[in-house]
Amino acid sequence: AQTVTQSQPEMSVQEAETVTLSCTYDTSESDYYLFWYKQPPSRQMILVIRQEAYKQQNATENRFSVNFQKAAKSFSLKISDSQLGDAAMYFCAYRRGGGGAQKLVFGQGTRLTINP
Amino acid sequence: KAGVTQTPRYLIKTRGQQVTLSCSPISGHRSVSWYQQTPGQGLQFLFEYFSETQRNKGNFPGRFSGRQFSNSRSEMNVSTLELGDSALYLCASSAGGVYGYTFGSGTRLTVV
Repeated sequence: AQTVTQSQPEMSVQEAETVTLSCTYDTSESDYYLFWYKQPPSRQMILVIRQEAYKQQNATENRFSVNFQKAAKSFSLKISDSQLGDAAMYFCAYRRGGGGAQKLVFGQGTRLTINP
Repeated sequence: KAGVTQTPRYLIKTRGQQVTLSCSPISGHRSVSWYQQTPGQGLQFLFEYFSETQRNKGNFPGRFSGRQFSNSRSEMNVSTLELGDSALYLCASSAGGVYGYTFGSGTRLTVV
């Protein structure tokens, strides 16, 4: 079974600084997708960034980027120029590739605090 | 484009009762999944529906069930509620592949 591990329950960063959230996963599959979701106090899970396992290039979305190390099964999220609105729970998630039945496997989450 | 809509937002039920939660996916999305979120267990997969068929089911007791209608709207039902069923229930819809899932704002269920 696939597992996702986020080893940092809480992180804090000064506004405008850069922070990196860690995520490791375990799978025997070669085709899969990885995601970072943000959950603010409003509760809605918001997709931050996604990565296809077969792509070596790291995904980037504005201030958010990932460091995808497939061999090490590591998928960290870097947030540059942190803003107060970035404060939230961040979840790393894995999804097997291919068609058919799918589900997301989530890590336990990292609570990110932004200090003004 | 409307997002994923979950109703109701909050619900308080008594032990032993049953409850039905509703989810309307993004138009065109045929896959709908349900997740339970608790402080202790985190986010756990309940089940996934695609074109009215349950394709995948998580490790939950039979008290948890769901269905999907022809318009892709989905409902989940929990019978004989227990205190431990108190959680945030999240619904997500997907167009498949790398697009991941779009989540609703959830239904906060409290069992007293």
